[in-house]
Amino acid sequence: DQQVKQNSPSLSVQEGRISILNCDYTNSMFDYFLWYKKYPAEGPTFLISISSIKDKNEDGRFTVFLNKSAKHLSLHIVPSQPGDSAVYFCAASPKSFSGNTGKLIFGQGTTLQVKP
Amino acid sequence: KAGVTQTPRYLIKTRGQQVTLSCSPISGHRSVSWYQQTPGQGLQFLFEYFSETQRNKGNFPGRFSGRQFSNSRSEMNVSTLELGDSALYLCASTEYNEQFFGPGTRLTVL
Repeated sequence: DQQVKQNSPSLSVQEGRISILNCDYTNSMFDYFLWYKKYPAEGPTFLISISSIKDKNEDGRFTVFLNKSAKHLSLHIVPSQPGDSAVYFCAASPKSFSGNTGKLIFGQGTTLQVKP
Repeated sequence: KAGVTQTPRYLIKTRGQQVTLSCSPISGHRSVSWYQQTPGQGLQFLFEYFSETQRNKGNFPGRFSGRQFSNSRSEMNVSTLELGDSALYLCASTEYNEQFFGPGTRLTVL
């Protein structure tokens, strides 16, 4: 039961253009969402997050959009740079009675290639 | 602050053996989570420890266990290793809903 899905295994964009990575989720109990970037044989690096009470969060070149009614979130990278080439994971945190805990449900990842 | 550290970085074991992995969270973080990453299954949640208590558990067999010490350092143990346990094991510490990951321990089971 894949509760968090990234349906595009890979994405290729030209340097300077926009990269849009998508993520869908099925569980309405998720209330916090995060994006991570990962290189092979390394741990994921936190990029940006968004709470379910917001629909947009921006940090430099990275913007995350959340559409709760569609259970969909996306990460926009503008402008894309060759150094952005990596695997991107979206993750969701389930709500609990004690607040969010240290449990994340990850999507399968999207490999982004930014061509010079 | 220093980041999350994991030791060892690489391990080679044979089937049937057991293994213990160690994780030191970011100073001040009390929550430590463990994940397994494999090519086929992606990143899967193993368990979370908070203040020395297991707070969440994923869908892994009982061969996978963990513990947390009073200084928040955590260990993960896998007994009776199987070939399918070969994976990158990641530890993360949590603060304000955001998890910060260590570099991982690459376990190879032969």
